[in-house]
Amino acid sequence: GAVVSQHPSRVICKSGTSVKIECRSLDFQATTMFWYRQFPKQSLMLMATSNEGSKATYEQGVEKDKFLINHASLTLSTLTVTSAHPEDSSFYICSLGTSGGAGDTQYFGPGTRLTVL
Amino acid sequence: GQNIDQPTEMTATEGAIVQINCTYQTSGFNGLFWYQQHAGEAPTFLSYNVLDGLEEKGRFSSFLSRSKGYSYLLLKELQMKDSASYLCAVRDPDYKLSFGAGTTVTVRA
Repeated sequence: GAVVSQHPSRVICKSGTSVKIECRSLDFQATTMFWYRQFPKQSLMLMATSNEGSKATYEQGVEKDKFLINHASLTLSTLTVTSAHPEDSSFYICSLGTSGGAGDTQYFGPGTRLTVL
Repeated sequence: GQNIDQPTEMTATEGAIVQINCTYQTSGFNGLFWYQQHAGEAPTFLSYNVLDGLEEKGRFSSFLSRSKGYSYLLLKELQMKDSASYLCAVRDPDYKLSFGAGTTVTVRA
């Protein structure tokens, strides 16, 4: 399967600051990446679909001006949490979907634990 | 949208078999996935079903009935390392995944 990395793995920041999370596809050219958020003891919730070279598609209820997504290349997508607040503290996970068949799954990065003080 | 239900917790003994059920109601179906997630880590892919029937991969098997909106993940010969959360996810025609809340499996010696 595809290998996906995320950086940083853990970040602690003050309320009001912005945090950038990088998601890299190490061995696959990903035209589409997905960003999820997972609160403690809850499941993954899709935030947005990141498309290379075009604007991201956000799920209902996700503020596009607060969660800025940039997918400038086939191997890198970034998520910036702007003016972070304690309620944004969560586990953020990216994934990329391989193409070429209905059986292909999504491969997940290791996640980024964000804590906003 | 998707509505996906699975039990919250299950406990089993090492060496035993556990079956995790998942029911779903969807506005579009393009496959069902099972993932394993250890605490603080990202999910890892276990299995995929798009047609009715049983898919077997070593100690793990997954079953799907599209007409019933039902799937199960079967874990055989349980090992301590199988203690984790198991996520049922349904993919829609746009290739987006919707996840259930996850089933925490605890394997006891």
